[in-house]
Amino acid sequence: NAGVTQTPKFQVLKTGQSMTLQCAQDMNHNSMYWYRQDPGMGLRLIYYSASEGTTDKGEVPNGYNVSRLNKREFSLRLESAAPSQTSVYFCASSAGAGRQETQYFGPGTRLLVL
Amino acid sequence: AQTVTQSQPEMSVQEAETVTLSCTYDTSESDYYLFWYKQPPSRQMILVIRQEAYKQQNATENRFSVNFQKAAKSFSLKISDSQLGDAAMYFCAYLAPGGGADGLTFGKGTHLIIQP
Repeated sequence: NAGVTQTPKFQVLKTGQSMTLQCAQDMNHNSMYWYRQDPGMGLRLIYYSASEGTTDKGEVPNGYNVSRLNKREFSLRLESAAPSQTSVYFCASSAGAGRQETQYFGPGTRLLVL
Repeated sequence: AQTVTQSQPEMSVQEAETVTLSCTYDTSESDYYLFWYKQPPSRQMILVIRQEAYKQQNATENRFSVNFQKAAKSFSLKISDSQLGDAAMYFCAYLAPGGGADGLTFGKGTHLIIQP
């Protein structure tokens, strides 16, 4: 069972470069999330998608865009990377229906912006 | 905004002993969810245990159990018979009713060390 998958696992960017982080889930979940984790902190929500075609900003959305391509896939784009975006990025999904709110996480993408 | 506080940055326990990790949270809601996630060195976030606030009974998953004190807004994790594989960061997390754009609110984590 693949669950939630993320690509790439690790990426180095130069300031100003752009890139897209990919996430896919095979659990037929409705809701998908992007979080970032910085040293000494828990995860913080960047964007959320309740269903295909809908997205909402989370706690730290500045500098990011997202696309919910279909039910399975939710991508995160950095248009012009900054050193402050050096972090570990996690994608998560949940059934998103009533009590089925448990979020399941991908393995993370470690991003270094120089 | 909800806040989650884990007051123990690091805990150490001897293998086979019991350890309790503390978590407190702040909310004005009456119905919500609480979680403990484990993050080993691989960085994978692994669900350990989940508690619905409307349930008075404390959740249990094998060697892992919680002490949920709703009035005190406390949600501690007890690990019995600690094993070397339990060594990890442990995060307490809160989810508001309806989930959604609030996402999970995480504490800063507790680093659990298992002494052989």
